[in-house]
Amino acid sequence: AQSVAQPEDQVNVAEGNPLTVKCTYSVSGNPYLFWYVQYPNRGLQFLLKYITGDNLVKGSYGFEAEFNKSQTSFHLKKPSALVSDTALYYCAVIPRPAGNKLTFGGGTRVLVKP
Amino acid sequence: EAGVAQSPRYKIIEKRQSVAFWCNPISGHATLYWYQQILGQGPKLLIQFQNNGVVDDSQLPKDRFSAERLKGVDSTLKIQPAKLEDSAVYLCASSPRGGRVLNTEAFFGQGTRLTVV
Repeated sequence: AQSVAQPEDQVNVAEGNPLTVKCTYSVSGNPYLFWYVQYPNRGLQFLLKYITGDNLVKGSYGFEAEFNKSQTSFHLKKPSALVSDTALYYCAVIPRPAGNKLTFGGGTRVLVKP
Repeated sequence: EAGVAQSPRYKIIEKRQSVAFWCNPISGHATLYWYQQILGQGPKLLIQFQNNGVVDDSQLPKDRFSAERLKGVDSTLKIQPAKLEDSAVYLCASSPRGGRVLNTEAFFGQGTRLTVV
């Protein structure tokens, strides 16, 4: 069975400090990996994805994520957090081959304090 | 480009009543998903369509939930009868993913917040 784990329910960080949100996955094969963000009172928005190639992928709003196959991880990072980054962050996976479902982790609440 | 449209935004019903949600995906998107998001949890996939065929409905409580995607475009999700534990946000998403188009993200609607009392 496929699963996505986000071990931290909440991450607190001061504005300007680096932000990391952790994600590990347990699926067969080489999955597609995604990060989504949910701002207060707004729908889920796509941030970035890993398909193949360079293990470091860059996405919207200055976020990036590093794929680590040996550790089956896909941690989200931002070098300098902003108060406006306060939101819920979800890691998601689609296992290969095509047609399988998009499965989400439980989410991590990020609170960036001024 | 218009996004994924869902209606209604909010719905309050009594237990044992029925309710239906509607979703209009982004034009041309082959894949449509319905998710249930209970407060404090990540979205849980209920059903996935590719065009008008069901790809996965393994987590859909089929004794009370049903969904259809007419002509491979709009979709409706129905609950009959509703239970208290069905209180959640129901999210619809669509993706160009399908056929030879594989590695694309899903686009989400604002969701319908259902409260069962």
